[in-house]
Amino acid sequence: GAGVSQSPSNKVTEKGKDVELRCDPISGHTALYWYRQSLGQGLEFLIYFQGNSAPDKSGLPSDRFSAERTGGSVSTLTIQRTQQEDSAVYLCASSFIENYGYTFGSGTRLTVV
Amino acid sequence: AQTVTQSQPEMSVQEAETVTLSCTYDTSESDYYLFWYKQPPSRQMILVIRQEAYKQQNATENRFSVNFQKAAKSFSLKISDSQLGDAAMYFCAIEPNSGYALNFGKGTSLLVTP
Repeated sequence: GAGVSQSPSNKVTEKGKDVELRCDPISGHTALYWYRQSLGQGLEFLIYFQGNSAPDKSGLPSDRFSAERTGGSVSTLTIQRTQQEDSAVYLCASSFIENYGYTFGSGTRLTVV
Repeated sequence: AQTVTQSQPEMSVQEAETVTLSCTYDTSESDYYLFWYKQPPSRQMILVIRQEAYKQQNATENRFSVNFQKAAKSFSLKISDSQLGDAAMYFCAIEPNSGYALNFGKGTSLLVTP
C-alpha cells in the first residue's frame, strides 16, 4: 500500500482480555518495527522484524506480549491478559533501508478498562 | 546505550517567525544517525529531517534545517517562516549505524500562533 496501515485505530478492552493489533507495512519494506507511546514513558521500542524473523525482542515488556510477521508483510502484536498499564498508543513503522528513517502508521490507541 | 534529551516541553512561535527546538544526546557509538520527527494530532510520526553523524554539513529540507554540533552532542532543529501546519509534537531521535532501533527524546510541543 501507499503507507503503513494499522488497525484498529482505537480499541477499548476489559482488563484480562487478549487483544491483537495489526500492522500492514509498505509493500517491499523488509524491516518492521513496533513502538509503544505512553504519557509517562514516551516512545519505547518493542520489537524489530527483518523479513519474518525477529532478531530483537528485547523491548517486549513482559511475556504477555508477543508478535509475529508472516510472508514478510503483515505483522500482529498480541497482548494477553491485558492490564491497565498496557493502555498506550502502539505505533508500527517500516523501512526498506536501515538508517534512512522509518515510515510510521497512525497507531492503535489501546485503552484497558 | 543512547539517550536523547529535549529540554523544552513546550515552545510557541508566531506565524512567519523562526523557532529553534533543542536536542542533546549521548552515545558511545562512533557512527550514528540523527532524526527529527513531527507528530501532529493524527498520531502519525512524519520524518522531518535526517543527519548523518559523519557529515559535517548541516542537513536542510526546505524551511527546516539543523544545527549539528558533534563535539557538543547537540542537534537542534530550526523552523523558518513558521506556518500553522507546523504545530505538532517534535521528537528528536538517534539510531546507531550498527543498530536499528530509534531512541527518542520526550518531545517538544510546538504551538504556532497567528
